[in-house]
Amino acid sequence: GNSVTQMEGPVTLSEEAFLTINCTYTATGYPSLFWYVQYPGEGLQLLLKATKADDKGSNKGFEATYRKETTSFHLEKGSVQVSDSAVYFCALNNAGNMLTFGGGTRLMVKP
Amino acid sequence: EAGVVQSPRYKIIEKKQPVAFWCNPISGHNTLYWYLQNLGQGPELLIRYENEEAVDDSQLPKDRFSAERLKGVDSTLKIQPAELGDSAVYLCASSLARGPGELFFGEGSRLTVL
Repeated sequence: GNSVTQMEGPVTLSEEAFLTINCTYTATGYPSLFWYVQYPGEGLQLLLKATKADDKGSNKGFEATYRKETTSFHLEKGSVQVSDSAVYFCALNNAGNMLTFGGGTRLMVKP
Repeated sequence: EAGVVQSPRYKIIEKKQPVAFWCNPISGHNTLYWYLQNLGQGPELLIRYENEEAVDDSQLPKDRFSAERLKGVDSTLKIQPAELGDSAVYLCASSLARGPGELFFGEGSRLTVL
């Protein structure tokens, strides 16, 4: 079956630090990969996506590259801000329009 | 454009009581999802609708959970009777069409069963 594994949090960084949140997946075929973000008190919203191998998704300074050889989709940002504090979810779509989520990683950025 | 609307945002009930959650998807979105999110975990799919048809309900505990989507628009998720382990956030999402598209989520309904 499909599964997504992401690093456990919380991840605590100082402002302007480099961020990496690891995500690996198990799936048959060629899934699409996503990062969703959940800010405090808000619903999940799409941050970025990649639909095929070697694609790079990017948004708001965040990037993730679809690596089929390592079945990974790690999220990176060069310089985090306090406003990036949130819970980040890696997800895959391998059947129709159904998402399978990882457990989420809480990011806390201190000024 | 209005987003996915859910109500109530918060609900506290005693065990064995019934509870219902309502979802209004984004206008024109024919696919609607109910997800369960336990504390500190990722969302898990309960049921997916294509228009008014439930096309995937394999994870819905049918002994106590039920859902409906009349006229292919709004949806209601019901639990009867609720158990302590049902305390969680119930998320509704909608999307425009099949394929690897974006799901739009509501803010969720947080249920506490005492």
